Amino acid sequence: QQQVKQSPQSLIVQKGGISIINCAYENTAFDYFPWYQQFPGKGPALLIAIRPDVSEKKEGRFTISFNKSAKQFSLHIMDSQPGDSATYFCAARIGSHGSRLTFGEGTQLTVNP
Amino acid sequence: GAGVSQSPSNKVTEKGKDVELRCDPISGHTALYWYRQSLGQGLEFLIYFQGNSAPDKSGLPSDRFSAERTGGSVSTLTIQRTQQEDSAVYLCASSLASGGGGNEQFFGPGTRLTVL
Repeated sequence: QQQVKQSPQSLIVQKGGISIINCAYENTAFDYFPWYQQFPGKGPALLIAIRPDVSEKKEGRFTISFNKSAKQFSLHIMDSQPGDSATYFCAARIGSHGSRLTFGEGTQLTVNP
Repeated sequence: GAGVSQSPSNKVTEKGKDVELRCDPISGHTALYWYRQSLGQGLEFLIYFQGNSAPDKSGLPSDRFSAERTGGSVSTLTIQRTQQEDSAVYLCASSLASGGGGNEQFFGPGTRLTVL
């Protein structure tokens, strides 16, 4: 009930291409869905987040698409750059449980120059 | 201002020893979280402190794990009688508040624990 499933585990994209990472969840009580970016040796940093009352949120080259009926959400990175190479985690939160986050397994993205 | 800091950055210990990991949250943040990140895995919630409320310990994997938060600021995660499966990166995060509002969690760089 608390799991968030993320795919793919790893992704290689050419510079300028589109990177797409997918997540699925089971618990309909989740009310906040952030994506985190993590570089080696660093802690995760919030990239972009969405609530289930909207279907899409865009910030620069990063877009979250949210499908409430399918209980799925995805991160799209447009015009991917080598500097985007990092590990990306989706997460979900139930507001009534404080702000503890349930994370997906992570996707290691490599953007080739 | 300074972000979340953690110490030590790396800790190597022998099986059966106790270890203490420290987290200094961002000043003014009332909520503090500990997560564990095993190799190639996502982050696993361990424990959460919010102000003076009783901590949510529901993520602690065994009674060998405990945590304290003194004076509403610094937190210490203690692992007693360490086992090899405890080897992981332990991450601390803090936020302004908990519950609704989508308050961002700011993560520290983590402590890499290796149990030999």
